[in-house]
Amino acid sequence: SAVISQKPSRDICQRGTSLTIQCQVDSQVTMMFWYRQQPGQSLTLIATANQGSEATYESGFVIDKFPISRPNLTFSTLTVSNMSPEDSSIYLCSVGAGSSTDTQYFGPGTRLTVL
Amino acid sequence: GENVEQHPSTLSVQEGDSAVIKCTYSDSASNYFPWYKQELGKRPQLIIDIRSNVGEKKDQRIAVTLNKTAKHFSLHITETQPEDSAVYFCAAEVNSGGYQKVTFGTGTKLQVIP
Repeated sequence: SAVISQKPSRDICQRGTSLTIQCQVDSQVTMMFWYRQQPGQSLTLIATANQGSEATYESGFVIDKFPISRPNLTFSTLTVSNMSPEDSSIYLCSVGAGSSTDTQYFGPGTRLTVL
Repeated sequence: GENVEQHPSTLSVQEGDSAVIKCTYSDSASNYFPWYKQELGKRPQLIIDIRSNVGEKKDQRIAVTLNKTAKHFSLHITETQPEDSAVYFCAAEVNSGGYQKVTFGTGTKLQVIP
């Protein structure tokens, strides 16, 4: 399985500011995914980041709010823009890895609190 | 799009008993069904998976069954131990635009009582 790291691990931010979350993988992967997990809830896919092309966003998520970069095959960033308390959540990146790449492996997550 | 339902939302069992978690999915094109365990404050970790061409898979105390006709799959944990306490998520994957898109169930909080 891939080794995935995220920075920061947690942050407390003020309303109206933006936070950029970094995701680093120890091997080259084609697809990287960004999820949101609200307290006590399941995982919701925000977008899929493919190197060299625009990210694909799921219904309910827009690029202006969650811009994503994917500059190479081992790195991606997710920015949470113009934050409000409703954005307080855990944000996780994942990659498809393993022999079939069907299996997704998750980073440790970034716990975001917006005051 | 895919819809995955998961039951029960909470489950308490005595140590040594079995636990069963059930999921249904809506998209008949789904072809891969992983199960994840998430301990408090940790990332989801894959514990077992099954593909659409297989009906059952077992790994020590954990087994998963799949009924493609009925579009449901289940996780079975036997001889439960306190360290099995966690939130379990089922998921269904379907190929969408060249990649596997994952839809997660709502989660089951399992408590194993010593």
